[in-house]
Amino acid sequence: GDSVTQMEGPVTLSEEACLTINCTYTATGYPSLFWYVQYPGEGLQLLLKATKADDKGSNKGFEATYRKETTSFHLEKGSVQVSDSAVYFCALSDSQAGTALIFGKGTTLSVSS
Amino acid sequence: GAVVSQHPSRVICKSGTSVKIECRSLDFQATTMFWYRQFPKKSLMLMATSNEGSKATYEQGVEKDKFLINHASLTLSTLTVTSAHPEDSSFYICSGASGHPGELFFGEGSRLTVL
Repeated sequence: GDSVTQMEGPVTLSEEACLTINCTYTATGYPSLFWYVQYPGEGLQLLLKATKADDKGSNKGFEATYRKETTSFHLEKGSVQVSDSAVYFCALSDSQAGTALIFGKGTTLSVSS
Repeated sequence: GAVVSQHPSRVICKSGTSVKIECRSLDFQATTMFWYRQFPKKSLMLMATSNEGSKATYEQGVEKDKFLINHASLTLSTLTVTSAHPEDSSFYICSGASGHPGELFFGEGSRLTVL
């Protein structure tokens, strides 16, 4: 079945460092891809998404490009802030409405000043 | 984005009792709601899918008699953990589907601790 694999954490960075969190997927069809973020004590929030190959999702300085040839959707940010400290989840869903998301295991990011 | 509210956010109960968690979509109608369980340092595991007015569809390995799901209206789904045991202690998260592919809105989660 469909699955998502993302790099294990925790990832510890200094403020203004570059961030990459790797995510690869396995799917039989043409899924939509997502990054969700969970800040401490809060629920999951959609960070960005891409619905087809070569699409780039972006939000709050984060970017991820849907790479069909490498089945990847790596999350990147050029300069992280302390406020970016959170758990990041890569996820996919098939193209139909009302279907559940399949999540990776999550990567904890800690940014220090 | 749309808002999904879960209640209670934290609950502590004794072993053998039942606990109900509510999930409400506040500003949209969720024809489908999903219940996830999040283990420490692990991902979210989909427990079941519920569609308004019909029986929930449970994932393999999830006991439907232990985790009762009711989706009585387009804005409310409930998860009842029956005869809870310490191994049921976990973080339970619901999400509602708005109708657009992959567009889910998540509740804040409910942390259940069974003593």
